[in-house]
Amino acid sequence: DQQVKQNSPSLSVQEGRISILNCDYTNSMFDYFLWYKKYPAEGPTFLISISSIKDKNEDGRFTVFLNKSAKHLSLHIVPSQPGDSAVYFCAASYLTGTASKLTFGTGTRLQVTL
Amino acid sequence: NAGVTQTPKFRILKIGQSMTLQCTQDMNHNYMYWYRQDPGMGLKLIYYSVGAGITDKGEVPNGYNVSRSTTEDFPLRLELAAPSQTSVYFCASSSGGDNSPLHFGNGTRLTVT
Repeated sequence: DQQVKQNSPSLSVQEGRISILNCDYTNSMFDYFLWYKKYPAEGPTFLISISSIKDKNEDGRFTVFLNKSAKHLSLHIVPSQPGDSAVYFCAASYLTGTASKLTFGTGTRLQVTL
Repeated sequence: NAGVTQTPKFRILKIGQSMTLQCTQDMNHNYMYWYRQDPGMGLKLIYYSVGAGITDKGEVPNGYNVSRSTTEDFPLRLELAAPSQTSVYFCASSSGGDNSPLHFGNGTRLTVT
């Protein structure tokens, strides 16, 4: 039962253009969403997050949009750079009162070409 | 700037062998986690700890054990290795409870044959 889904295993975008990575979720209890970026042979690193009380959060070239009614979020990278080539994981959590137990998607491999 | 350090980076085990994956963090984080990532899958939570002496099961705890005797260290023990435990294991830590971003180590790639 995949509660967080990234339906596109890979995406190729030209340098300078916009990259849009999508994520869908099924559990309506999720109230916090994060994106992690992962390079080969390294652990994931936190990129950006959004609370369910917002519909947009921006940090430099990275913007995350949340559509709660559609249970959908997306990560926009503008402009895309070759260094953005990595695997991007969407993750979600809900308030448990203890630790952040994240549910991860399966990842989307982004390749930014010259 | 060490962050979260995992050892070893790679290991090959025979079925039935045991081993301990080491994880240490120098950020004084109370919360620590173990995840596994299978090919083409997301990360799944094995065990987590909210502080020294406190551990709890995650989504896929069977076949593993953990201990948390200090704030810094959170080792993961495999007692009887099975091929289904072939995976990449990530340790992570965070400063707080809900919604604090996780800081991950670089992973241990384990193969059980």
